[in-house]
Amino acid sequence: DGGITQSPKYLFRKEGQNVTLSCEQNLNHDAMYWYRQDPGQGLRLIYYSQIVNDFQKGDIAEGYSVSREKKESFPLTVTSAQKNPTAFYLCASNRGGTDTQYFGPGTRLTVL
Amino acid sequence: AQSVTQLGSHVSVSEGALVLLRCNYSSSVPPYLFWYVQYPNQGLQLLLKYTTGATLVKGINGFEAEFKKSETSFHLTKPSAHMSDAAEYFCAVSDLSGGYNKLIFGAGTRLAVHP
Repeated sequence: DGGITQSPKYLFRKEGQNVTLSCEQNLNHDAMYWYRQDPGQGLRLIYYSQIVNDFQKGDIAEGYSVSREKKESFPLTVTSAQKNPTAFYLCASNRGGTDTQYFGPGTRLTVL
Repeated sequence: AQSVTQLGSHVSVSEGALVLLRCNYSSSVPPYLFWYVQYPNQGLQLLLKYTTGATLVKGINGFEAEFKKSETSFHLTKPSAHMSDAAEYFCAVSDLSGGYNKLIFGAGTRLAVHP
């Protein structure tokens, strides 16, 4: 089955630690996205990548970093510089342009 | 800049009743509009989308939405609610101004369905 996988589903970290969230897709999509979801605020774009080895900041990139070394993978690192990292993180992908974005199941990060 | 407003953060209906979730958008260009559904602790699933052409769009699970340019609206409806429709619903518009497809989401509407 084609789809997007995110791991882990739940993640707990101590304040001040960096943490990396995994996102893998086997849909052969060129573009991948990371969103952050907070209650009552909808989804906000953190980073996106249109092709391998290229990525751009979204609306709330401060305190986050990404890499895109393979077409299938777009990991997100939440650094200690992110002031309020506790949130639900969603990865998405599409063929690019106005093609529909398809979402993974999400990772809930809790920083203690 | 594009924006999306969903009227009503919580909507409650009886099973079998009409579902109406409201979405208004702001866009300087002809918009691409989407409705997604999210069940607890899950990702978003596409319900339907409007790109061009017919303004009444049919989606999965019996949902449909009508694009009304004059009202800048894209309200989601379902004639008869089912208990399984209880979820959070997000309206989104494509923002292509940055040279890529960024989705602008509304804050979401949580739908409750009671017996």
